[in-house]
Amino acid sequence: GAGVSQSPRYKVAKRGQDVALRCDPISGHVSLFWYQQALGQGPEFLTYFQNEAQLDKSGLPSDRFFAERPEGSVSTLKIQRTQQEDSAVYLCASLDRGRLDEKLFFGSGTQLSVL
Amino acid sequence: AQSVTQLGSHVSVSEGALVLLRCNYSSSVPPYLFWYVQYPNQGLQLLLKYTSAATLVKGINGFEAEFKKSETSFHLTKPSAHMSDAAEYFCAVSVSSSASKIIFGSGTRLSIRP
Repeated sequence: GAGVSQSPRYKVAKRGQDVALRCDPISGHVSLFWYQQALGQGPEFLTYFQNEAQLDKSGLPSDRFFAERPEGSVSTLKIQRTQQEDSAVYLCASLDRGRLDEKLFFGSGTQLSVL
Repeated sequence: AQSVTQLGSHVSVSEGALVLLRCNYSSSVPPYLFWYVQYPNQGLQLLLKYTSAATLVKGINGFEAEFKKSETSFHLTKPSAHMSDAAEYFCAVSVSSSASKIIFGSGTRLSIRP
């Protein structure tokens, strides 16, 4: 596609449910990032992939959060046993390294509401 | 450790007036600095970035920002506001130009009065 695609656009979960959020990066982009944006706040870094390798997961808030990118393209962010504090917009971004003018391309995000 | 502080969570200006959004950074190494804009229900878009090539950086939509090391600032300006500029603006810092692990500020919502 033309941009970074995230699905679903909205997700409502009951506390304790597991959720899976999908990110389709721009074709050919080797780097992929996940961010969490709480209401009224700036995005906070969660994790980073280069191809299928997860190079940095220092921002994942707990072991309930897990991300994967098994074939180096589509990525899934999974949250187990969701809690109310997990409610936020989850943003995915991809980057094409090697270009002279590198920049992140962001998706529109998945808005997660945990009830 | 790196961080950015955006002064003012909400700024309101009249159409045609100067836009000034303030950002101060903290970095232990020479920083790469960014401004992003987020329109409602859309992803963040890069407005401009500073990578040490020039202290005055020009971006899209008539925005520019000036890197001032002595003031640790990277304020965003536009000479004449347009209604379409209404959005959330985020200042951000990174240790590399390729934007790994960007640290974002808390954002400034810009409103434009007719």
